Amino acid sequence: DAGITQSPRHKVTETGTPVTLRCHQTENHRYMYWYRQDPGHGLRLIHYSYGVKDTDKGEVSDGYSVSRSKTEDFLLTLESATSSQTSVYFCAISEVRAQLSGANVLTFGAGSRLTVL
Amino acid sequence: RKEVEQDPGPFNVPEGATVAFNCTYSNSASQSFFWYRQDCRKEPKLLMSVYSSGNEDGRFTAQLNRASQYISLLIRDSKLSDSATYLCVVTPGRSQGNLIFGKGTKLSVKP
Repeated sequence: DAGITQSPRHKVTETGTPVTLRCHQTENHRYMYWYRQDPGHGLRLIHYSYGVKDTDKGEVSDGYSVSRSKTEDFLLTLESATSSQTSVYFCAISEVRAQLSGANVLTFGAGSRLTVL
Repeated sequence: RKEVEQDPGPFNVPEGATVAFNCTYSNSASQSFFWYRQDCRKEPKLLMSVYSSGNEDGRFTAQLNRASQYISLLIRDSKLSDSATYLCVVTPGRSQGNLIFGKGTKLSVKP
């Protein structure tokens, strides 16, 4: 168990409001990720972090910002939510599995379901 | 060509059937390959990794063909509990920066 907690798990908000999703991990993993999942698109990477204050953009980063001020917390912010950002958001950590020939394996949080009206 | 492509679902099979899923990837430099399972309204979870030599875990067998850039997952003696969406995942390189997910193939096992 990678000890990943996402909050809130469900949120309904209105267009134009700011929204912050939080991902908390308890096992000191260096790499953390935010994905969104939509029907017909699968999982798409928004942003990821490779350390405190070290972040980079993913495939669908427009409209999103992230922050990582502590190893255990990775925040995803929608500065002004739009209906196109209605989605399920998954946080993940990455760890190297020696038993899998050193492959990097993702473990996901339970997801945050966001609805923007 | 999309980076990772999977069989379009859904697959509807009876209990006890054998079912195979296929996945192709476009980046020949890809290093690691996985199958993830995702239950309805749940997070994806690692099912198994995929090697050129093949990888078997009980009723599940995964295979990688690097020459054809092709990954497969075989499920024998399907159970009702196998009903889920199966995601093909490819790591482009050794970087932990990005994993590429297929859109998934939905499997429904019927009594």
